[in-house]
Amino acid sequence: AQSVAQPEDQVNVAEGNPLTVKCTYSVSGNPYLFWYVQYPNRGLQFLLKYITGDNLVKGSYGFEAEFNKSQTSFHLKKPSALVSDSALYFCAVRDYGQNFVFGPGTRLSVLP
Amino acid sequence: EAGVAQSPRYKIIEKRQSVAFWCNPISGHATLYWYQQILGQGPKLLIQFQNNGVVDDSQLPKDRFSAERLKGVDSTLKIQPAKLEDSAVYLCASSFDAYQETQYFGPGTRLLVL
Repeated sequence: AQSVAQPEDQVNVAEGNPLTVKCTYSVSGNPYLFWYVQYPNRGLQFLLKYITGDNLVKGSYGFEAEFNKSQTSFHLKKPSALVSDSALYFCAVRDYGQNFVFGPGTRLSVLP
Repeated sequence: EAGVAQSPRYKIIEKRQSVAFWCNPISGHATLYWYQQILGQGPKLLIQFQNNGVVDDSQLPKDRFSAERLKGVDSTLKIQPAKLEDSAVYLCASSFDAYQETQYFGPGTRLLVL
């Protein structure tokens, strides 16, 4: 069965510093990987996805993620954090023909 | 383009009562998903439709939950009877296709069962 782990419940970073939100996964085949963000009282919004091709994926709002097959990771990164990036971030994975599985989420707080 | 619409936004009921949620996906999206998000957790897929057919309902508690998408467009999710542990946000999402495509989420329905 597929699974997603987000090892950090909370990540705190100062505004202007780089940020990383970690995600590791387990699937039997080739993974389709996604990052979503959830702002308070709002639905989930798509940030980026990896299906195939270049391991470095660029997405919305300056975010990017790197697919690492050997480490089964898909960490979300941003070179310079903004206070407005503070939100709940979810990593998700699916294998072809399988369920779509979300991780438990990581709360990002960017401090001014 | 219009996003995924859900109603109601909030619902408070007593245990053993029934409740229904409605979702209208983005026009042209064949795939529709219902998720349950309990506070502090990631969304859990309840059911996935491809047009008006069920693709996956393996995590749907079928003794009390039901869902339909009769005309392959909008969908309803029903809980009957509700339990305290059903308190959660119910999210609807849609995508153009099932596997590689981005899912677009509605604002959710927040259910409180007393």
